[in-house]
Amino acid sequence: KAGVTQTPRYLIKTRGQQVTLSCSPISGHRSVSWYQQTPGQGLQFLFEYFSETQRNKGNFPGRFSGRQFSNSRSEMNVSTLELGDSALYLCASSLAAGNQPQHFGDGTRLSIL
Amino acid sequence: GNSVTQMEGPVTLSEEAFLTINCTYTATGYPSLFWYVQYPGEGLQLLLKATKADDKGSNKGFEATYRKETTSFHLEKGSVQVSDSAVYFCALRRETSGSRLTFGEGTQLTVNP
Repeated sequence: KAGVTQTPRYLIKTRGQQVTLSCSPISGHRSVSWYQQTPGQGLQFLFEYFSETQRNKGNFPGRFSGRQFSNSRSEMNVSTLELGDSALYLCASSLAAGNQPQHFGDGTRLSIL
Repeated sequence: GNSVTQMEGPVTLSEEAFLTINCTYTATGYPSLFWYVQYPGEGLQLLLKATKADDKGSNKGFEATYRKETTSFHLEKGSVQVSDSAVYFCALRRETSGSRLTFGEGTQLTVNP
């Protein structure tokens, strides 16, 4: 069974640009969550989607947005990139929202120049 | 609010030594508690979990007991191996927060042969 797949693995952008990251959950999983990992702030929750609806949102500015498609694949978008957005972005999927184990992808490493 | 505090790292041990990584939490209600492990260049893997007080999670020789009275979930292993070298994260999930995880800062463990 394939795991959570995140693409691309690495990305380099410059300030002011925008970026879209993709996450394909494990087959049959309907909940997708996104996290940002940085050395200074650690792992911080961005948002959670279930059945194409945003169920939960962390404390990030509106430049960070996401969506989920009918096949449960999810994308997150960051507009007007800032140097501080450099991070590892992790996606996690689970069968349903709530009390289900979450499976993480290997992340997308975003570097802002 | 919810928070998780882990012992500061890095932790360096010799092979076959005893491991303890302390984790305490602050949360209302009865959160579920988790330990995740992250190997270099990879995402997070669920190591073990406990969903109610006095539950003991265990996997691959690692154990942690959910202690409601001390709000703790310390990770232990009787004999570490070089292959256990990784970053370990303690996390909680509240009943009312869907799949959202709140993570501790992470503890880097290095095991020397």
